[in-house]
Amino acid sequence: QVQLQESGPGLVKPSETLSLTCTVSGGSISDYYWSWIRQPPGKGLEWIGYIYYSGSTNYNPSLKSRVTISVDTSKNQFSLNLKSVTASDTAVYYCARDLNTNSGLDCFDPWGQGTLVTVSS
Amino acid sequence: DIVMTQSPDSLAVSLGERATINCKSSQSVLYRSNNRNFLGWYQQKPGQPPKLLIYWASNRESGVPDRFSGSGSGTEFTLTISSLQAEDVAVYYCQQYHSTPFTFGGGTKVEIK
Repeated sequence: QVQLQESGPGLVKPSETLSLTCTVSGGSISDYYWSWIRQPPGKGLEWIGYIYYSGSTNYNPSLKSRVTISVDTSKNQFSLNLKSVTASDTAVYYCARDLNTNSGLDCFDPWGQGTLVTVSS
Repeated sequence: DIVMTQSPDSLAVSLGERATINCKSSQSVLYRSNNRNFLGWYQQKPGQPPKLLIYWASNRESGVPDRFSGSGSGTEFTLTISSLQAEDVAVYYCQQYHSTPFTFGGGTKVEIK
């Protein structure tokens, strides 16, 4: 049973960089696409982007200029960097895996539990 | 971007009664090459991540009770809970994965009447 766990600071100052890591356990990071998705408090879901285990990426154009997603296959982890954050980036950040291998156009299952990141001075 | 619009925003249904949630996409999410609709449904309970219920618009994920069903094609889709149980109180989201950026509907909150 694959499990995902997000980790990183819960508080980030405005204009700084938000950095989160997702650790994959119970399975290999290989052969799947891995996404970051966020949810502002009390609001809906926004897909941030994905990375394939080989390192290829695809970002939401709304965030593309500020986002970098990377992968470390040796640690079975992938990471999110979001630079120049503002209060509007306050959200629960989830990592998630594609349902099927080698897909890229897929729904998400499983998901991590999520981590709340607050942007405030 | 494909815009996903859900209706209603919320609904209250008596225990054992049917709940119906609608989702419309701004363009078709059907791939004619494989005749599949790239549309999923999720359930989210407070303090939890979304849980995948339905994929390819009508395929139930493993372990999901058969009172949940999905239907529709092209741009119009429906999630039906045939007999609402107390544990079904949640927010439900549709999501298109036909093209990036992947997008979600705004959510439908289901409560007990």
